[in-house]
Amino acid sequence: GENVEQHPSTLSVQEGDSAVIKCTYSDSASNYFPWYKQELGKRPQLIIDIRSNVGEKKDQRIAVTLNKTAKHFSLHITETQPEDSAVYFCAAIQGNAGKSTFGDGTTLTVKP
Amino acid sequence: DAGVIQSPRHEVTEMGQEVTLRCKPISGHDYLFWYRQTMMRGLELLIYFNNNVPIDDSGMPEDRFSAKMPNASFSTLKIQPSEPRDSAVYFCASSLGVRNEQFFGPGTRLTVL
Repeated sequence: GENVEQHPSTLSVQEGDSAVIKCTYSDSASNYFPWYKQELGKRPQLIIDIRSNVGEKKDQRIAVTLNKTAKHFSLHITETQPEDSAVYFCAAIQGNAGKSTFGDGTTLTVKP
Repeated sequence: DAGVIQSPRHEVTEMGQEVTLRCKPISGHDYLFWYRQTMMRGLELLIYFNNNVPIDDSGMPEDRFSAKMPNASFSTLKIQPSEPRDSAVYFCASSLGVRNEQFFGPGTRLTVL
């Protein structure tokens, strides 16, 4: 089955700095890669996603890159703000089967 | 739309009791997912349905766990008998198509004493 590894498990940055979270996956059948943000005590919510036919996608301060050959994808947050503090999860979805595998999460802390 | 609805929001029960968690997906969504979240094991996919049919239940930890989706607007996750190690937050999520955003419900926090 699919295996998703996410690094780092914790990340602390100063407000205004950039943050990068990386994930690797094992199953070449995975073709959809969403990123979710989960604030304390709340539900995960999608912040950005990328499909396997695209190498990069950007939405304001957030960007995701995908390297299908190396089977890794990354989340980039620029100009971080305290409200970006949360747990971020990557996931790999097998498009035909629909099975979702999540990474273990990264706790991001943005210090004012 | 009200989003994905889960009930109850909190459940405290004693070991050995039956627990039933409920989920109403977003109208029109054809995929429904059940997840369990714990500090130790993170976010685990338990089972998912497509058009009310279970597709993959390989994440269901034991025979004590069962899930049903009798129609497009309702699903249940049952644990019988419950054990303290089942204590976790259980999320239901739904999506339109498999390669699209999953919308999570607020979760059910289960505590088994």
